[in-house]
Amino acid sequence: QLQLQESGPGLVKPSETLSLTCSVSGGSLSSTVDYWGWIRQPPGKGLEWIGIISYTGTTYYHPSLKSRVTISADLSKNQISLTLISVTAADAAIYYCVRQPPRLWSPFDAWGQGTLVTVSS
Amino acid sequence: QSALTQPAFVSGSPGQSVTIFCTGTSSDIGDYDYVSWYQWRPGKAPKVIISDVSHRPSGISSRFSGSKSGSTASLTISGLQVEDEADYYCTSYRRSTIQVVFGGGTKVTVL
Repeated sequence: QLQLQESGPGLVKPSETLSLTCSVSGGSLSSTVDYWGWIRQPPGKGLEWIGIISYTGTTYYHPSLKSRVTISADLSKNQISLTLISVTAADAAIYYCVRQPPRLWSPFDAWGQGTLVTVSS
Repeated sequence: QSALTQPAFVSGSPGQSVTIFCTGTSSDIGDYDYVSWYQWRPGKAPKVIISDVSHRPSGISSRFSGSKSGSTASLTISGLQVEDEADYYCTSYRRSTIQVVFGGGTKVTVL
């Protein structure tokens, strides 16, 4: 059974860089045509799509985050990563790793449990 | 503020039907039939209950149905049950900016 597990620092200082990792088990990134990505939920707010990486390595990002975000995949470690630079309080959220069948309009069919990120000095 | 607009709360008595509306624009919901709905119970992973506006994935109760009119999608839960208490999120795709958009979520309470 596919499992996604997010990890990373729970606390990041303003203006610094947030780095999260999603470890995939029960499936191999290198043997699938699925998309893998990140979604976040700020406290008390709705979900926000951050972006995805396709099996070809193509990335798609939320327009408002495009200048600050990078999603990458390490096939040897079966992991995907999220890097968000110059964080502010608005980036505080629960961050979820997700899988999406290979269409940007497909529903996300696997989710990690999420990891809480706080932005504070 | 979320890209798609949903009511924050909806409630109903057991056995009743409730409908959750999700309002977008001509650039997302109104563009193509790419609307999905998730059910999110506390402590559980979100579950897709509707895709492509009205398609129910295997194993999803027929009490859940989806539709769309113009730029507004809707999810109807018929024969409301206690187990239906959850947060429900709509999502769509905005082709012009190549992004997935979400609603703010609706908390369904069974009275």
